Amino acid sequence: SAVISQKPSRDICQRGTSLTIQCQVDSQVTMMFWYRQQPGQSLTLIATANQGSEATYESGFVIDKFPISRPNLTFSTLTVSNMSPEDSSIYLCSVVGQPDQPQHFGDGTRLSIL
Amino acid sequence: GQQVMQIPQYQHVQEGEDFTTYCNSSTTLSNIQWYKQRPGGHPVFLIQLVKSGEVKKQKRLTFQFGEAKKNSSLHITATQTTDVGTYFCAGSNKYIFGTGTRLKVLA
Repeated sequence: SAVISQKPSRDICQRGTSLTIQCQVDSQVTMMFWYRQQPGQSLTLIATANQGSEATYESGFVIDKFPISRPNLTFSTLTVSNMSPEDSSIYLCSVVGQPDQPQHFGDGTRLSIL
Repeated sequence: GQQVMQIPQYQHVQEGEDFTTYCNSSTTLSNIQWYKQRPGGHPVFLIQLVKSGEVKKQKRLTFQFGEAKKNSSLHITATQTTDVGTYFCAGSNKYIFGTGTRLKVLA
């Protein structure tokens, strides 16, 4: 399975600032996703990162707040903009090699906003 | 939109007891995947079921996909402390995860 490197692993940020999370895969993948997971909760899909075009956002998530880039088939970034304490969460990148195949996850980014 | 519910939300068992979690989707799924997330870790893929009524086994774990492809179950026989974690089902229609079942195993 793909090896996924997600950075940073954790960060503590001031409210009103922005943080960019990177997801690097060691092989080309068809699909890349970004999830958010609150402590003790399930994973909530933020968006699908589309290579060379705008990401597809799920209900409740907007591009202005969570801009996503995917310049090629192995790399994506998620930016959490104008952060507030409600954005404190774990953010996870996942990849799918081919449609209908399972997802593989990065180790996640644990984000705390003061 | 698609919703995937799991029951129970939590389960505490004595080591050696059996455990079952159930997954129910509001829509028909093309396939279903099961993941395990250890405390402090990320979800790890366990298995994928594709066919209606399919049953697959992995050692002490038995996975079943419903005939209507809207529900699934995971059964663990004789739980061990290494089974501790949260078990999620997910459908690949929209890559939506179920609500999860957190399993604690008491030694």
